[in-house]
Amino acid sequence: DAGVIQSPRHEVTEMGQEVTLRCKPISGHDYLFWYRQTMMRGLELLIYFNNNVPIDDSGMPEDRFSAKMPNASFSTLKIQPSEPRDSAVYFCASSLSGDTDTQYFGPGTRLTVL
Amino acid sequence: GENVEQHPSTLSVQEGDSAVIKCTYSDSASNYFPWYKQELGKRPQLIIDIRSNVGEKKDQRIAVTLNKTAKHFSLHITETQPEDSAVYFCAANGGGADGLTFGKGTHLIIQP
Repeated sequence: DAGVIQSPRHEVTEMGQEVTLRCKPISGHDYLFWYRQTMMRGLELLIYFNNNVPIDDSGMPEDRFSAKMPNASFSTLKIQPSEPRDSAVYFCASSLSGDTDTQYFGPGTRLTVL
Repeated sequence: GENVEQHPSTLSVQEGDSAVIKCTYSDSASNYFPWYKQELGKRPQLIIDIRSNVGEKKDQRIAVTLNKTAKHFSLHITETQPEDSAVYFCAANGGGADGLTFGKGTHLIIQP
């Protein structure tokens, strides 16, 4: 299995631009999670999906952030417009089921907003 | 929501000695406690986890203990080796939720 796949691995953009991060979960996993990692705030859960349906988006920082999962093998996290404080590593993770199942992380997307 | 505190933030030990990292959680409904290891520039990787129906779990040099009454859990690494150097994160699932709340991490340094 290829594991969780994320693209791009690195993204540099200018303030005000739209950014789209992509994730392909492990095949057969019903849960998909988006996390953000910064030095100041550590690893934070942004949103997660169960069977393509958003379950909890209380971690999404503001309306500039949106996430979709149009099918079982693809999810996007979009930031529009981007701001320098959005600079972070964004991880996608998936698990077979929720609750107490292991979450497998993707390699992450390092986002830099200038 | 769940709150996870992790200590210490940095831990330096001599190669071959043991290392202990401690975490506390706030939500008594939490029932899943994983530990992740993250090397510089890499993704977090699960090294061990424990569910609330057991008090201790061991996997070779790594062990985790859970005290539900006190709401704390700990990671124990014995016979530390240079490749154990990394940042370690504890997490809890906040009972009834599926996402994880992470501690701030412990930078473990193994001195040769």
